Amino acid sequence: EPEVTQTPSHQVTQMGQEVILRCVPISNHLYFYWYRQILGQKVEFLVSFYNNEISEKSEIFDDQFSVERPDGSNFTLKIRSTKLEDSAMYFCASAGQGFTEAFFGQGTRLTVV
Amino acid sequence: AQRVTQPEKLLSVFKGAPVELKCNYSYSGSPELFWYVQYSRQRLQLLLRHISRESIKGFTADLNKGETSFHLKKPFAQEEDSAMYYCALSGRGGSGGSNYKLTFGKGTLLTVNP
Repeated sequence: EPEVTQTPSHQVTQMGQEVILRCVPISNHLYFYWYRQILGQKVEFLVSFYNNEISEKSEIFDDQFSVERPDGSNFTLKIRSTKLEDSAMYFCASAGQGFTEAFFGQGTRLTVV
Repeated sequence: AQRVTQPEKLLSVFKGAPVELKCNYSYSGSPELFWYVQYSRQRLQLLLRHISRESIKGFTADLNKGETSFHLKKPFAQEEDSAMYYCALSGRGGSGGSNYKLTFGKGTLLTVNP
């Protein structure tokens, strides 16, 4: 069964450093998403991506964040200068035509020290 | 604005007992409601969506527009049902997928005791 794959599973970085979280969505999907979950809190929407552009972003997704789909398979989330409060589990998700279901990756745990 | 409320952070029942996980929502348009489940050390996965009106693993959920609720129910809980359950809402339609984002509740941790 096809799956959304995220790498790495855990990333530790120093405050102020740039990080790139990587995702390989399901191959024929059209909609791509990043969510995050701070420990003990709810899963929050960050950004949606469709037709090679951002279709919506939340207020969390400020200028420090960017997304790319550099080729036909990868979908990346970059945080330019990490802050302590960026420590969270980041989930990538993808959905096919008509959005019957969003499929989630296993998540990347980002720890900013 | 989209909002999903799951009032219970923790729910503990005994095997064979009925279980109901509550979910209320707020959305001005025509929402689509989902229940996602996360078993220990596994990814979030879809359990069911209101539009399909099906029963998965014995769970059902009915959308009540009058009460803006989408409670998840199972008549006889099993130990393997122990997991984190998230109610989520998505707005319908829209080009670019912008209305397909999911708004999650905080989740309810269900523990089914033997």
